[in-house]
Amino acid sequence: QKEVEQNSGPLSVPEGAIASLNCTYSDRGSQSFFWYRQYSGKSPELIMFIYSNGDKEDGRFTAQLNKASQYVSLLIRDSQPSDSATYLCAVENSGNQFYFGTGTSLTVIP
Amino acid sequence: EPEVTQTPSHQVTQMGQEVILRCVPISNHLYFYWYRQILGQKVEFLVSFYNNEISEKSEIFDDQFSVERPDGSNFTLKIRSTKLEDSAMYFCASSARLGAAGEQYFGPGTRLTVT
Repeated sequence: QKEVEQNSGPLSVPEGAIASLNCTYSDRGSQSFFWYRQYSGKSPELIMFIYSNGDKEDGRFTAQLNKASQYVSLLIRDSQPSDSATYLCAVENSGNQFYFGTGTSLTVIP
Repeated sequence: EPEVTQTPSHQVTQMGQEVILRCVPISNHLYFYWYRQILGQKVEFLVSFYNNEISEKSEIFDDQFSVERPDGSNFTLKIRSTKLEDSAMYFCASSARLGAAGEQYFGPGTRLTVT
């Protein structure tokens, strides 16, 4: 069983639309949840972290966490072509180890 | 803006050789990490380090791997006898705090090629 699962995509949305990225995790005791953005050939860049159930908003980004369903999502409002990247979901499990999903490739079409 | 740096950017080595990958974490950070990413695959956690000792390590981090903080600024990953399957991008990361608020900042990575 994979620790963190994401749809690999690709996900394509038109510019200005909302992009919705989803992630599930297996360890119910997981503590912290992160979304990273990774451009091709570059290192991951932290976008948001969340550790409580509910929504957390930061600018155009909203992270949503549902621990009962073991589900994390990232919404990107008013998507821009510069948002085109691979989005990585990462989870710190109960053993303080970090697991990344395989990432979802997002393309924002101008 | 402070950033994590890594050297070299690209390392080519022959199978069986030892390599040392170097990282300079952000200066006031206390927690340090190594990850690897095989081309086209996911980022994989290797090890976390705090207070001059390993905090956690993954199944990948076997006896051929070691980490060290030889001085107040550097954090190194040593691979004792490289194998072809060690070819990957290796990322160092650091954070000021652990857990929920432990935002990790990644370095640009070292691409290791084992021939």
